[in-house]
Amino acid sequence: TQLLEQSPQFLSIQEGENLTVYCNSSSVFSSLQWYRQEPGEGPVLLVTVVTGGEVKKLKRLTFQFGDARKDSSLHITAAQPGDTGLYLCAGTDSWGKFQFGAGTQVVVTP
Amino acid sequence: NAGVTQTPKFQVLKTGQSMTLQCAQDMNHNSMYWYRQDPGMGLRLIYYSASEGTTDKGEVPNGYNVSRLNKREFSLRLESAAPSQTSVYFCASSAWGDGQPQHFGDGTRLSIL
Repeated sequence: TQLLEQSPQFLSIQEGENLTVYCNSSSVFSSLQWYRQEPGEGPVLLVTVVTGGEVKKLKRLTFQFGDARKDSSLHITAAQPGDTGLYLCAGTDSWGKFQFGAGTQVVVTP
Repeated sequence: NAGVTQTPKFQVLKTGQSMTLQCAQDMNHNSMYWYRQDPGMGLRLIYYSASEGTTDKGEVPNGYNVSRLNKREFSLRLESAAPSQTSVYFCASSAWGDGQPQHFGDGTRLSIL
């Protein structure tokens, strides 16, 4: 069973558009991480969020952790082709179980 | 600036053959992991080693064995490969515990015919 549900599974947008991907669960998470994976490479950590309601920014990427620590979102402003990749969320729930979501494949075309 | 190194990068096996995937990290991390990644399934944990000298099963351990050779190295062995084990395998490490940021290798693409 998938502890973390990511949506959408696939997103294709034009350069300059904004996008949001979601990571949801019925469980409470002590922390949640976002990774980006490019073809032929392993995932690379983008950010870790630990506090409910927390917002972190990384250039054009904005990460939010839900107040109840059950969900998170990643918003990309003015997407660029270099943002293309598989975005994965991962977290540890209150039972100590750590799991990755299935990921959202983002394609940004020029 | 190696980080996590996996070998080989590609491998084709016949059903029933055995092989060992190698992984080494140079970040002095305590914890190491083996995942497999299949389309639409995300990363699924096969085995992990919380610290040198310990190993534990993950979500999908059947058909695999691991060895934590020392603090740097963590190998994954397929004793009798099956087509269902065709996948991309990733090794990762973290300073300690799976709640910490994980650093990944570039993967081994394994096809079993």
